[in-house]
Amino acid sequence: ILNVEQSPQSLHVQEGDSTNFTCSFPSSNFYALHWYRWETAKSPEALFVMTLNGDEKKKGQISATLNTKEGYSYLYIKGSQPEDSATYLCAFEVNRDDKIIFGKGTRLHILP
Amino acid sequence: DVKVTQSSRYLVKRTGEKVFLECVQDMDHENMFWYRQDPGLGLRLIYFSYDVKMKEKGDIPEGYSVSREKKERFSLILESASTNQTSMYLCASSSSGQGWQTQYFGPGTRLLVL
Repeated sequence: ILNVEQSPQSLHVQEGDSTNFTCSFPSSNFYALHWYRWETAKSPEALFVMTLNGDEKKKGQISATLNTKEGYSYLYIKGSQPEDSATYLCAFEVNRDDKIIFGKGTRLHILP
Repeated sequence: DVKVTQSSRYLVKRTGEKVFLECVQDMDHENMFWYRQDPGLGLRLIYFSYDVKMKEKGDIPEGYSVSREKKERFSLILESASTNQTSMYLCASSSSGQGWQTQYFGPGTRLLVL
């Protein structure tokens, strides 16, 4: 059974601080790794998709890295703002045109 | 922008009722998905479809069926609703054209079965 693990499950961070969290996935049959942000009362929205080992993506103050050999991805948020409060989901895509496996998410709370 | 819409944001049904959840996407995507989201369990795939009239079981298909008669519309059917089907239901779509499958989600339907 393929499993995607995210840690921590929940995180409280002071506004202005930087933070990061982890997504672990099987290192075999890798096709792509996705990060989504899911704000309360909204739909999950795609942040990044990464396909190559060593990929790094950046969007504003949020960035992500990918290590397919060891099966992990980090999401970093620099200088957290209240609007960064959300659940961050990672999703592992197995082979092309196969289904996507979601992690349970990291729930991030930014404290004012 | 891709838009995925779901027929209801909130729905209250009684045990044993037949329930239809509708999802429509406007970007000509080939792939459509139905998930449910429960606290502590994350997103779980119920059914998905890669083309019109095609359907594949996901991880938790029991108690559900689906219909895809048109490319833009994917319906989730609860044949006889039960209280353990109280949940948030999310529809998503994606395109096969770019290789990887970034999914675009609808706003969700929160279903309460009494």
